[in-house]
Amino acid sequence: IAGITQAPTSQILAAGRRMTLRCTQDMRHNAMYWYRQDLGLGLRLIHYSNTAGTTGKGEVPDGYSVSRANTDDFPLTLASAVPSQTSVYFCASSDSVRGEQFFGPGTRLTVL
Amino acid sequence: TQLLEQSPQFLSIQEGENLTVYCNSSSVFSSLQWYRQEPGEGPVLLVTVVTGGEVKKLKRLTFQFGDARKDSSLHITAAQPGDTGLYLCAGDYGNNRLAFGKGNQVVVIP
Repeated sequence: IAGITQAPTSQILAAGRRMTLRCTQDMRHNAMYWYRQDLGLGLRLIHYSNTAGTTGKGEVPDGYSVSRANTDDFPLTLASAVPSQTSVYFCASSDSVRGEQFFGPGTRLTVL
Repeated sequence: TQLLEQSPQFLSIQEGENLTVYCNSSSVFSSLQWYRQEPGEGPVLLVTVVTGGEVKKLKRLTFQFGDARKDSSLHITAAQPGDTGLYLCAGDYGNNRLAFGKGNQVVVIP
């Protein structure tokens, strides 16, 4: 059972470049989420999707976009990366009935 | 906006001691979850509490949800080095979304 996979594990990126973080789940969960985790700020929600074909903005959506073409995949795109987007990014999914979230292993992104 | 405040932010104790950490809010949540996160990994769910006043036990960990569903506590009895980690509380504020606190970093010294 894989659960949630994220790719890449880590990435160093030049400012201004475009980057897509990948997230795939095999639990057939309806809802998926992207968070960033920064020291002193905790986990903050970037975007979420309650079901395939729908997305919503979280607490810190600026500079990020998402799509949800199917149940399993929820990619996060940085159109033009900036140094303030240096962070650890976690993808999560949940059965929307129970609400408990299951997290991936994270992607450590550094923007120089 | 930080909906959930966790205290203390950092706690270091000797193996075998007891500890309690807290998660407080001015908001009412339909449920509250506790996660533990270890370095380099994603958070892992420990428990969900739903009813005001509810107490749940997970081995040596005891979780309590406040009567007004605004706060929660986690008590660890006879802490072990394996209990070391970042404990995160998260409140369900609707539409399948969670608000996370900044966490309680617990270090258990052998």
